[in-house]
Formats: sequence, structure tokens, C-alpha cells
Amino acid sequence: AQSVTQLGSHVSVSEGALVLLRCNYSSSVPPYLFWYVQYPNQGLQLLLKYTSAATLVKGINGFEAEFKKSETSFHLTKPSAHMSDAAEYFCAVTQGGGNKLTFGTGTQLKVEL
Amino acid sequence: EPEVTQTPSHQVTQMGQEVILRCVPISNHLYFYWYRQILGQKVEFLVSFYNNEISEKSEIFDDQFSVERPDGSNFTLKIRSTKLEDSAMYFCASSEVWQEEETQYFGPGTRLLVL
Repeated sequence: AQSVTQLGSHVSVSEGALVLLRCNYSSSVPPYLFWYVQYPNQGLQLLLKYTSAATLVKGINGFEAEFKKSETSFHLTKPSAHMSDAAEYFCAVTQGGGNKLTFGTGTQLKVEL
Repeated sequence: EPEVTQTPSHQVTQMGQEVILRCVPISNHLYFYWYRQILGQKVEFLVSFYNNEISEKSEIFDDQFSVERPDGSNFTLKIRSTKLEDSAMYFCASSEVWQEEETQYFGPGTRLLVL
């Protein structure tokens, strides 16, 4: 079964610093990968997704992620963190003909002044 | 922008009671889902639904759970006899088509507390 692993349940960065949130997937077939963000007291919002069209995917709010098959990774980055980026970020995967999402455990991003 | 809505936002119930969680998916979407997130754990798939039938369900979705689309707008999750371990945030989602790469749009969730 497909799965994703998010390294680091909590990440703290300074405002203006690079954001790097890690996601690795396990898959024997090409996966479709997603990053969702959850702001406090809100639902899950799609940031971006990989659908095999391009390995570098740009999303909303300045985020992007690169699909690296050799590393089985789909890390999320943003060049310069903003206070409003503080939220929980989830990596997720669908695979194998179905479209149920399998989520990682999430990474809580804290942005400090 | 269209969005998925869920009611209630919070529900407290006694163990053994029935609860119904309600969702209004995006109007032109045809595929509906329920997920749950127990506090401190990952978001887990429960069930997907299309054309008034369950398309797929997880091991979590046992006989205590049922889903229904009672009218043209609502999508409900019923838990017949709640257990303490059913306490979680329940998310409804919808998508326009059934494709692996299709975006699922999530509602804000219902936080269920079983006492």
C-alpha cells in the first residue's frame, strides 16, 4: 500500500527564511502527490499537486515542490516565510486506480519574528 | 468561490448515542468522501461515495457507520452507536471527477466528542 512519511512533526523558521517541509513516499507505481495546508479552525486547503506533467510544481502562496523519483521525495519549499504561513501541512498520495487520499502525519510550521 | 460546508462545527454526545454529521458538497461535484482525524494522529480515509453508492471504504468504516445523500445537496455520515474512540475531527470532501489526480475539496470539519 502507498504511504507518505513526513519528517519533522514541528518545524520552526524565522520570518523571511527558507521553508523546507519534507515528504517521502513509498510506491511501486507512479504516485500522485499532494500538499494540503490546514490553518487553525479551518479545513484542508490544497497547496499544490504533482500529476506527472512537470516535476517542479508551483502552488499557491509562493509554495513549490519538486518530485524526485530517485529520492522518492516531494519536499515543499518557500523561499521566504511569512507569519501567515504558520499552519499545519500535510503531504498526501493517491495511487493504484483509486482516489482515496493517504495522508502523512503532518508538520506544524511555526514562523517567528 | 464554492466551498464545502459542514454542520455542526462541534458536537458532544454520550457513548452509545447516534450522531449524524452533515455536509454540503460543492454543487457540481459528484464524488464525496469522509475522512477523520483523531487528535494527534493523521487524517484517515473513511469512505467514498458516488451515484448513491459506496465506492470504497476503509477498515474503520464498519457496520456502525453509514453514509447517505438524502437529497440533492446534503451528504451525511451517521454513527449508530458512538464509542469513546469515535472522538475525532470528521472532514467531508468532494471532487468533480473520479481520477487519482483530481483535487478533493475539504470542509472545515466537525469536531465530535464522545463522553
